Amino acid sequence: EAQVTQNPRYLITVTGKKLTVTCSQNMNHEYMSWYRQDPGLGLRQIYYSMNVEVTDKGDVPEGYKVSRKEKRNFPLILESPSPNQTSLYFCASSSRGSQPQHFGDGTRLSIL
Amino acid sequence: AQSVTQLGSHVSVSEGALVLLRCNYSSSVPPYLFWYVQYPNQGLQLLLKYTSAATLVKGINGFEAEFKKSETSFHLTKPSAHMSDAAEYFCAVSEGPNFGNEKLTFGTGTRLTIIP
Repeated sequence: EAQVTQNPRYLITVTGKKLTVTCSQNMNHEYMSWYRQDPGLGLRQIYYSMNVEVTDKGDVPEGYKVSRKEKRNFPLILESPSPNQTSLYFCASSSRGSQPQHFGDGTRLSIL
Repeated sequence: AQSVTQLGSHVSVSEGALVLLRCNYSSSVPPYLFWYVQYPNQGLQLLLKYTSAATLVKGINGFEAEFKKSETSFHLTKPSAHMSDAAEYFCAVSEGPNFGNEKLTFGTGTRLTIIP
């Protein structure tokens, strides 16, 4: 079954404690992306990757890092989380950015 | 730079009535346009996509959208609303691979409520 898997699904943590949200896809997609969803703001792209070792900033990259060492994995790293990064995060993948995205089920992060 | 505007953050329609969700876009090149639906506590699912073929695009669950270049619009419609259509709907635009930039931009979403 085609899947984008995010972990964890829920996380409550404290300011400054580094965390990583993992994302894995089994569709051999080249394009992967991270979004955050906030009420009234819709989805905003954080980072995207067009292939292994190729990443680029989206609309709201500040405070986040990503890496793409393998095609299937695209982790999102918060080196020093702050309360304004409390949000619902989605990972997505597709063959290209101009093609329909397959979304994960989301990760709800609360930074206290 | 590409952008998307969804008019109306909340839309309510009666069951059986026409659904119309509005989306206007801005793009410097012919765009790729998408509508996605998000049901409560779920990720987004693709409803339909426009990629420069037919201007009237049919999607799943009876939805369709019409690309109007002169109006820079891509409004989503469904002739007869069903209770199961209650969800949040997102319009999205990509300028595609034309400039080597495959960034995808979403609108702020429209929450559709169906009145029994």
